[in-house]
Amino acid sequence: QKEVEQNSGPLSVPEGAIASLNCTYSDRGSQSFFWYRQYSGKSPELIMSIYSNGDKEDGRFTAQLNKASQYVSLLIRDSQPSDSATYLCAVNIDPGNAGNMLTFGGGTRLMVKP
Amino acid sequence: DAGVIQSPRHEVTEMGQEVTLRCKPISGHDYLFWYRQTMMRGLELLIYFNNNVPIDDSGMPEDRFSAKMPNASFSTLKIQPSEPRDSAVYFCASSLGLGEQFFGPGTRLTVL
Repeated sequence: QKEVEQNSGPLSVPEGAIASLNCTYSDRGSQSFFWYRQYSGKSPELIMSIYSNGDKEDGRFTAQLNKASQYVSLLIRDSQPSDSATYLCAVNIDPGNAGNMLTFGGGTRLMVKP
Repeated sequence: DAGVIQSPRHEVTEMGQEVTLRCKPISGHDYLFWYRQTMMRGLELLIYFNNNVPIDDSGMPEDRFSAKMPNASFSTLKIQPSEPRDSAVYFCASSLGLGEQFFGPGTRLTVL
């Protein structure tokens, strides 16, 4: 079982809709969670970080964390064609022993259709 | 800040040749990471450094790969000898403490 799992997609949503991206992780000790966006041919770019249970909002993006269910999600409201990219979930599984080492999921490809 | 700088951006070489990839982290960052990304395997951590010291190199695929960080502003990833299966995009990233990792633009390596 992979430590960080994502549905590879593609996830196709119409422009203006809410896109919901999901990620599960295996280690209950995980403490830090990140969402990166990667456009084709570009490097990953951090868009959200979340450290405690609940929701964190930043503009059109909302990250949700449920440590009991070992689940983190990213909601994108009013999706735009420019949001079309691969979204990578990253987890710091063991900050006490492994410093800032992140484990990445395989990514979900999002397509927003005009 | 200029962000993480990597060179070269593209490298095409022949099997058996030595390849050296270079990275300059963001000034003041104390963590440096080398990743490899392929379609088949996604984004894989190869090695990371904290305060110029290698902490975990368990992701380095084999002895042909080596990485150094002689000072806080420079790191290299070397492949010798290179093989076609090493073809990938290699990213360097840096962070300050347990904070967010910032990625460089990557080096696209093609081994013929």
